[in-house]
Amino acid sequence: SYELTQSPSVSVSPGQTARITCSGDALPKQYAYWYQQKSGQAPVLVIYKDTERPSGIPARFSGSSSGTTVTLTISGVRAEDEADYYCQSVDSDTTYVVFGGGTKLTVL
Amino acid sequence: EVQLVESGGGLVQPGGSLRLSCAASGLTMSDYRMHWVRQAPGKGLVWVSRINSDGSYPNYADSVKGRFTISRDNAKNTVDLQMNSLRAEDTAVYFCARDPAGTGTEYYFESWGQGTLVTVSS
Repeated sequence: SYELTQSPSVSVSPGQTARITCSGDALPKQYAYWYQQKSGQAPVLVIYKDTERPSGIPARFSGSSSGTTVTLTISGVRAEDEADYYCQSVDSDTTYVVFGGGTKLTVL
Repeated sequence: EVQLVESGGGLVQPGGSLRLSCAASGLTMSDYRMHWVRQAPGKGLVWVSRINSDGSYPNYADSVKGRFTISRDNAKNTVDLQMNSLRAEDTAVYFCARDPAGTGTEYYFESWGQGTLVTVSS
């Protein structure tokens, strides 16, 4: 079955840039999406179609894509950005929705 | 304001059944495809099922196929998940989530409910 691979954790100090990556063989053909989930809360969409930012999401959140890897970049990280971040895409063969395992962002 | 509110979770014995419901307000649900996503305690997000805006093409993850059934009532602005033959590994918070499209082949989640906890245990 199709898998998306994320690093389990990333740690940065406030004001620094955090980069969270997600790898998957089909990512050159399928869009990726990113969700932020704070403790005890529902996920929130922060990036869609690789690079697009929904209204209401701060400009410090950006997405990029290169080959089989997509990246969520958070510039000027704030304490409030501490959360789990999940990438999501679609299995081209089955059309099932697939999530990465999640990356825990810790703001030091 | 768009709101999705899940209900119906609870404690059920292995082999039992439970029916979850998701009620939408602030939007016309008939415009959107709807999904169920679950999250086991301390674990990641897992897609469970989806249904198109007109009730067509229900689809299921392999882990629930044949046991779960998704349905919707656009007149009532609700989407349900009937869960049968429940197993301990179905224990999770179940979220309903709205896809921005009604049909098509791009699937993602623009808004989410707060979730309802299902615990399968004897």
